[in-house]
Amino acid sequence: GQQVQQSPASLVLQEGENAELQCNFSTSLNSMQWFYQRPGGSLVSLFYNPSGTKQSGRLTSTTVIKERRSSLHISSSQTTDSGTYLCAMVYNYAQGLTFGLGTRVSVFP
Amino acid sequence: EAAVTQSPRNKVAVTGGKVTLSCNQTNNHNNMYWYRQDTGHGLRLIHYSYGAGSTEKGDIPDGYKASRPSQENFSLILELATPSQTSVYFCASGGGQGAREQYFGPGTRLTVL
Repeated sequence: GQQVQQSPASLVLQEGENAELQCNFSTSLNSMQWFYQRPGGSLVSLFYNPSGTKQSGRLTSTTVIKERRSSLHISSSQTTDSGTYLCAMVYNYAQGLTFGLGTRVSVFP
Repeated sequence: EAAVTQSPRNKVAVTGGKVTLSCNQTNNHNNMYWYRQDTGHGLRLIHYSYGAGSTEKGDIPDGYKASRPSQENFSLILELATPSQTSVYFCASGGGQGAREQYFGPGTRLTVL
């Protein structure tokens, strides 16, 4: 079946530092989605990114479908960025997402 | 902003009891999904639906049933709850032709004793 590998598993940052999170997919995919999971557990969609680069504030997502990978760049990290970042692949549009295990990010002042 | 709500938010059940988790979406999305999240496994798909009256098995359907009585509502049913079903359950909508992005509810924490 489809697999999603995220790296690193965890990351510790000092406020103001940049970070790059990686997501690799074992099979071809149609698209992918990045989520932020708050410490309380709720999931927030950050990017739905079939290909190319998308930016929202200090976050940038880049997906290269042919290479089966996507990255999430956090610039000038803040303590409020702490949480878990999940990526998920879209193999079949109607049949749900396949998730990675996530990258836990901790940002300290 | 897409709106997906779940109830209850927390539930404690006894082994062998019946549990129903409810999900409501106001986005008029055709597709809805149920996932569970466990440490070491991430989120996994249990059941999904293409619209009212339809339910499909996901990757881990054993021990679960689903019901989609209307466009807005999608339920997950545990007929005979077991401790192994202790988990956090998320409902989502979207992902279909009209709305490729999936939007998630806040989650339900279920403990089966």
